[in-house]
Amino acid sequence: GESVGLHLPTLSVQEGDNSIINCAYSNSASDYFIWYKQESGKGPQFIIDIRSNMDKRQGQRVTVLLNKTVKHLSLQIAATQPGDSAVYFCAETTGNTPLVFGKGTRLSVIA
Amino acid sequence: DADVTQTPRNRITKTGKRIMLECSQTKGHDRMYWYRQDPGLGLRLIYYSFDVKDINKGEISDGYSVSRQAQAKFSLSLESAIPNQTALYFCATSDFVGAGAYTQYFGPGTRLTVL
Repeated sequence: GESVGLHLPTLSVQEGDNSIINCAYSNSASDYFIWYKQESGKGPQFIIDIRSNMDKRQGQRVTVLLNKTVKHLSLQIAATQPGDSAVYFCAETTGNTPLVFGKGTRLSVIA
Repeated sequence: DADVTQTPRNRITKTGKRIMLECSQTKGHDRMYWYRQDPGLGLRLIYYSFDVKDINKGEISDGYSVSRQAQAKFSLSLESAIPNQTALYFCATSDFVGAGAYTQYFGPGTRLTVL
């Protein structure tokens, strides 16, 4: 079946640097995408979303980029902080179906 | 997220026991979901419900059943627990209409260990 996946299972960055977490999706019918952050011992928390009619969306220190041509999604975190250390998941949906989650990327911030 | 609560938070049980995990939400959302999380496998959907009268199987429903007692309550049962059901279980909710309607909000999780 179609699924959402990630290129890098782990990512280590220096504090203050920018982080980029990538995600490939396979369902061309997906029209809504979300990034979640999961800290140790907690449930996933919403970070930012983007609809398929957009290429880019910015939040506070985070930017999501969507490339529908190659079915690629990325999450950029500016000036990465120790509190950003977590597992990040991308998820997709066609709108009326439950979210399909990728396997996650662990981000470790080196102080 | 205090809007979505799960009980118990931790449970250790033995093979063959029937276990119920409960989820309650105060967000007023129609849609509720149960996921399990295993290391390296991400979140996998067990069951979901789009309203009180609606129950749907997810990717890995075998060995599980659910009950949607009310809009705010969605429980997950393991009929006869087995060790490979040891995992972290998450309940989630989402709205049906409006901005961000498809965003799912997760509870804190239940860590289940089957010996």
